[in-house]
Amino acid sequence: AQKITQTQPGMFVQEKEAVTLDCTYDTSDPSYGLFWYKQPSSGEMIFLIYQGSYDQQNATEGRYSLNFQKARKSANLVISASQLGDSAMYFCAMRYNTGGFKTIFGAGTRLFVKA
Amino acid sequence: EAGVAQSPRYKIIEKRQSVAFWCNPISGHATLYWYQQILGQGPKLLIQFQNNGVVDDSQLPKDRFSAERLKGVDSTLKIQPAKLEDSAVYLCASSFPFNTGELFFGEGSRLTVL
Repeated sequence: AQKITQTQPGMFVQEKEAVTLDCTYDTSDPSYGLFWYKQPSSGEMIFLIYQGSYDQQNATEGRYSLNFQKARKSANLVISASQLGDSAMYFCAMRYNTGGFKTIFGAGTRLFVKA
Repeated sequence: EAGVAQSPRYKIIEKRQSVAFWCNPISGHATLYWYQQILGQGPKLLIQFQNNGVVDDSQLPKDRFSAERLKGVDSTLKIQPAKLEDSAVYLCASSFPFNTGELFFGEGSRLTVL
Protein backbone atom coordinates (compact mmCIF):
# COMPACT_ATOMS: atom_id res chain seq x y z
CA ALA A 1 0.00 0.00 0.00
CA GLN A 2 1.13 3.53 -0.69
CA LYS A 3 1.89 5.51 2.44
CA ILE A 4 3.61 8.67 3.64
CA THR A 5 4.78 8.94 7.25
CA GLN A 6 5.81 12.07 9.09
CA THR A 7 6.68 11.20 12.67
CA GLN A 8 7.42 14.68 14.02
CA PRO A 9 4.19 16.46 15.01
CA GLY A 10 6.13 19.58 15.99
CA MET A 11 9.65 20.92 15.68
CA PHE A 12 11.40 23.96 17.12
CA VAL A 13 14.38 25.68 15.53
CA GLN A 14 16.31 28.81 16.34
CA GLU A 15 16.26 31.55 13.76
CA LYS A 16 19.20 31.28 11.30
CA GLU A 17 19.81 27.63 12.11
CA ALA A 18 19.10 24.64 9.85
CA VAL A 19 16.34 22.13 10.51
CA THR A 20 15.46 18.73 9.05
CA LEU A 21 11.88 17.53 8.72
CA ASP A 22 11.53 13.78 8.35
CA CYS A 23 9.48 11.91 5.79
CA THR A 24 9.38 8.22 4.95
CA TYR A 25 7.32 6.65 2.23
CA ASP A 26 6.20 3.28 0.98
CA THR A 27 5.25 2.37 -2.54
CA SER A 28 5.55 -0.54 -4.93
CA ASP A 29 5.55 1.78 -7.94
CA PRO A 30 9.13 2.06 -9.36
CA SER A 31 8.39 5.52 -10.72
CA TYR A 32 7.14 8.08 -8.24
CA GLY A 33 7.59 11.66 -7.18
CA LEU A 34 8.08 13.21 -3.79
CA PHE A 35 7.00 16.72 -2.83
CA TRP A 36 7.10 19.07 0.08
CA TYR A 37 4.43 21.69 0.62
CA LYS A 38 4.24 24.50 3.15
CA GLN A 39 0.95 25.57 4.73
CA PRO A 40 1.13 28.85 6.69
CA SER A 41 -1.58 29.77 9.17
CA SER A 42 -3.45 31.51 6.37
CA GLY A 43 -4.18 28.06 4.95
CA GLU A 44 -2.89 28.07 1.40
CA MET A 45 -0.67 25.17 0.32
CA ILE A 46 2.59 26.27 -1.23
CA PHE A 47 4.78 23.96 -3.28
CA LEU A 48 8.40 23.94 -2.11
CA ILE A 49 10.41 21.20 -3.78
CA TYR A 50 10.16 18.05 -5.91
CA GLN A 51 12.26 14.89 -6.21
CA GLY A 52 11.70 12.23 -8.84
CA SER A 53 12.45 8.62 -7.99
CA TYR A 54 14.99 8.36 -10.81
CA ASP A 55 16.73 11.64 -10.08
CA GLN A 56 20.36 11.00 -9.23
CA GLN A 57 20.95 14.21 -7.36
CA ASN A 58 19.12 15.63 -4.38
CA ALA A 59 16.79 18.47 -5.29
CA THR A 60 17.51 21.98 -4.10
CA GLU A 61 15.43 25.17 -4.27
CA GLY A 62 17.00 28.14 -2.58
CA ARG A 63 17.11 27.45 1.18
CA TYR A 64 15.26 24.15 0.71
CA SER A 65 16.93 20.86 -0.09
CA LEU A 66 15.57 17.36 -0.17
CA ASN A 67 17.72 14.61 1.32
CA PHE A 68 16.60 11.65 -0.80
CA GLN A 69 17.69 8.21 0.39
CA LYS A 70 15.98 5.76 -1.91
CA ALA A 71 17.09 2.57 -0.20
CA ARG A 72 15.77 3.86 3.10
CA LYS A 73 12.64 5.25 1.45
CA SER A 74 13.16 8.61 3.05
CA ALA A 75 12.80 12.12 1.66
CA ASN A 76 13.69 14.56 4.39
CA LEU A 77 13.35 18.31 3.91
CA VAL A 78 16.25 20.47 5.03
CA ILE A 79 15.64 24.17 5.57
CA SER A 80 18.83 26.16 5.95
CA ALA A 81 19.10 29.51 7.70
CA SER A 82 15.60 29.38 9.17
CA GLN A 83 13.54 32.55 9.14
CA LEU A 84 10.57 33.55 11.29
CA GLY A 85 8.39 33.30 8.19
CA ASP A 86 9.21 29.61 7.94
CA SER A 87 6.89 28.91 10.88
CA ALA A 88 4.15 26.80 9.31
CA MET A 89 2.89 23.27 8.71
CA TYR A 90 4.98 21.23 6.32
CA PHE A 91 3.57 18.29 4.39
CA CYS A 92 5.41 15.57 2.56
CA ALA A 93 3.53 14.12 -0.40
CA MET A 94 4.02 11.31 -2.89
CA ARG A 95 2.73 10.96 -6.44
CA TYR A 96 2.44 7.43 -7.78
CA ASN A 97 0.70 5.65 -10.60
CA THR A 98 -1.80 2.88 -10.08
CA GLY A 99 -4.41 3.16 -12.76
CA GLY A 100 -3.80 6.89 -12.91
CA PHE A 101 -1.53 9.32 -11.11
CA LYS A 102 -2.49 10.00 -7.51
CA THR A 103 -0.97 12.18 -4.78
CA ILE A 104 -1.17 11.39 -1.09
CA PHE A 105 -0.02 13.46 1.88
CA GLY A 106 1.51 12.79 5.25
CA ALA A 107 0.09 14.08 8.52
CA GLY A 108 2.43 17.06 8.55
CA THR A 109 4.99 18.63 10.86
CA ARG A 110 4.44 21.99 12.50
CA LEU A 111 7.63 24.04 12.52
CA PHE A 112 8.16 26.81 15.04
CA VAL A 113 11.03 29.22 14.41
CA LYS A 114 12.22 31.04 17.53
CA ALA A 115 13.75 34.52 17.43
CA GLU B 1 -1.79 33.41 -14.76
CA ALA B 2 -4.88 33.07 -12.61
CA GLY B 3 -4.69 30.55 -9.80
CA VAL B 4 -7.21 27.97 -8.63
CA ALA B 5 -10.41 29.70 -7.59
CA GLN B 6 -12.68 28.35 -4.86
CA SER B 7 -15.89 29.56 -3.30
CA PRO B 8 -17.23 30.12 -0.78
CA ARG B 9 -14.26 30.67 1.53
CA TYR B 10 -16.34 30.02 4.63
CA LYS B 11 -19.62 28.25 5.27
CA ILE B 12 -21.46 27.49 8.48
CA ILE B 13 -24.43 25.13 8.36
CA GLU B 14 -26.51 23.00 10.69
CA LYS B 15 -26.14 19.23 10.59
CA ARG B 16 -28.37 17.53 8.04
CA GLN B 17 -28.30 20.62 5.80
CA SER B 18 -26.63 20.63 2.42
CA VAL B 19 -23.72 22.63 1.06
CA ALA B 20 -21.93 23.00 -2.26
CA PHE B 21 -18.40 24.12 -3.03
CA TRP B 22 -17.17 25.34 -6.37
CA CYS B 23 -13.72 25.17 -7.90
CA ASN B 24 -12.26 26.57 -11.10
CA PRO B 25 -8.80 25.15 -11.86
CA ILE B 26 -5.91 26.78 -13.67
CA SER B 27 -6.58 26.99 -17.38
CA GLY B 28 -5.20 23.97 -19.19
CA HIS B 29 -4.92 21.78 -16.12
CA ALA B 30 -6.70 18.56 -16.98
CA THR B 31 -6.49 17.02 -13.53
CA LEU B 32 -8.61 18.34 -10.70
CA TYR B 33 -8.60 17.14 -7.09
CA TRP B 34 -10.80 17.63 -4.06
CA TYR B 35 -9.09 17.08 -0.72
CA GLN B 36 -10.59 17.17 2.76
CA GLN B 37 -8.34 18.57 5.47
CA ILE B 38 -9.56 18.12 9.01
CA LEU B 39 -7.92 20.42 11.56
CA GLY B 40 -4.46 19.17 12.50
CA GLN B 41 -4.33 16.51 9.78
CA GLY B 42 -2.94 16.18 6.30
CA PRO B 43 -5.16 16.52 3.24
CA LYS B 44 -7.14 13.41 2.33
CA LEU B 45 -8.04 12.85 -1.31
CA LEU B 46 -11.79 12.67 -1.82
CA ILE B 47 -12.01 12.58 -5.59
CA GLN B 48 -9.77 13.10 -8.60
CA PHE B 49 -10.89 13.98 -12.11
CA GLN B 50 -8.99 13.68 -15.35
CA ASN B 51 -10.85 16.03 -17.68
CA ASN B 52 -14.47 15.14 -16.85
CA GLY B 53 -13.82 11.51 -15.93
CA VAL B 54 -13.31 10.21 -12.39
CA VAL B 55 -9.86 8.71 -11.75
CA ASP B 56 -10.31 7.93 -8.07
CA ASP B 57 -13.22 8.37 -5.69
CA SER B 58 -12.42 5.49 -3.35
CA GLN B 59 -12.44 7.72 -0.25
CA LEU B 60 -15.51 9.74 -1.14
CA PRO B 61 -18.43 8.96 1.24
CA LYS B 62 -20.83 8.43 -1.59
CA ASP B 63 -23.90 8.24 0.61
CA ARG B 64 -23.56 11.96 1.31
CA PHE B 65 -20.86 13.42 -0.93
CA SER B 66 -21.06 13.94 -4.66
CA ALA B 67 -18.87 15.76 -7.14
CA GLU B 68 -19.03 16.57 -10.79
CA ARG B 69 -16.92 18.17 -13.47
CA LEU B 70 -19.32 18.24 -16.35
CA LYS B 71 -17.36 20.13 -19.03
CA GLY B 72 -13.89 19.16 -17.87
CA VAL B 73 -13.23 22.60 -16.41
CA ASP B 74 -14.84 23.74 -13.16
CA SER B 75 -16.13 21.37 -10.52
CA THR B 76 -18.69 21.26 -7.74
CA LEU B 77 -18.49 19.22 -4.53
CA LYS B 78 -21.74 18.71 -2.66
CA ILE B 79 -22.47 17.37 0.80
CA GLN B 80 -26.02 16.30 1.64
CA PRO B 81 -26.85 15.79 4.45
CA ALA B 82 -23.90 17.19 6.37
CA LYS B 83 -22.62 15.63 9.59
CA LEU B 84 -20.62 17.19 12.39
CA GLU B 85 -17.53 15.26 11.30
CA ASP B 86 -17.65 16.95 7.89
CA SER B 87 -16.29 20.12 9.48
CA ALA B 88 -13.04 20.66 7.61
CA VAL B 89 -11.33 22.68 4.92
CA TYR B 90 -12.10 21.47 1.43
CA LEU B 91 -9.14 22.06 -0.81
CA CYS B 92 -9.34 22.05 -4.55
CA ALA B 93 -6.16 21.53 -6.55
CA SER B 94 -5.25 21.13 -10.18
CA SER B 95 -2.25 19.90 -12.06
CA PHE B 96 -0.91 19.51 -15.55
CA PRO B 97 -0.65 15.73 -15.77
CA PHE B 98 2.50 15.34 -17.80
CA ASN B 99 5.03 17.30 -15.77
CA THR B 100 6.11 16.53 -12.23
CA GLY B 101 2.50 16.58 -11.15
CA GLU B 102 2.94 19.51 -8.79
CA LEU B 103 -0.41 20.45 -7.32
CA PHE B 104 -1.65 24.01 -7.42
CA PHE B 105 -4.10 24.67 -4.62
CA GLY B 106 -6.93 27.09 -4.12
CA GLU B 107 -7.36 28.93 -0.83
CA GLY B 108 -9.81 26.32 0.42
CA SER B 109 -13.40 26.37 1.63
CA ARG B 110 -13.76 26.11 5.39
CA LEU B 111 -16.92 24.27 6.46
CA THR B 112 -18.27 24.33 9.98
CA VAL B 113 -21.18 22.00 10.75
CA LEU B 114 -23.07 22.83 13.95
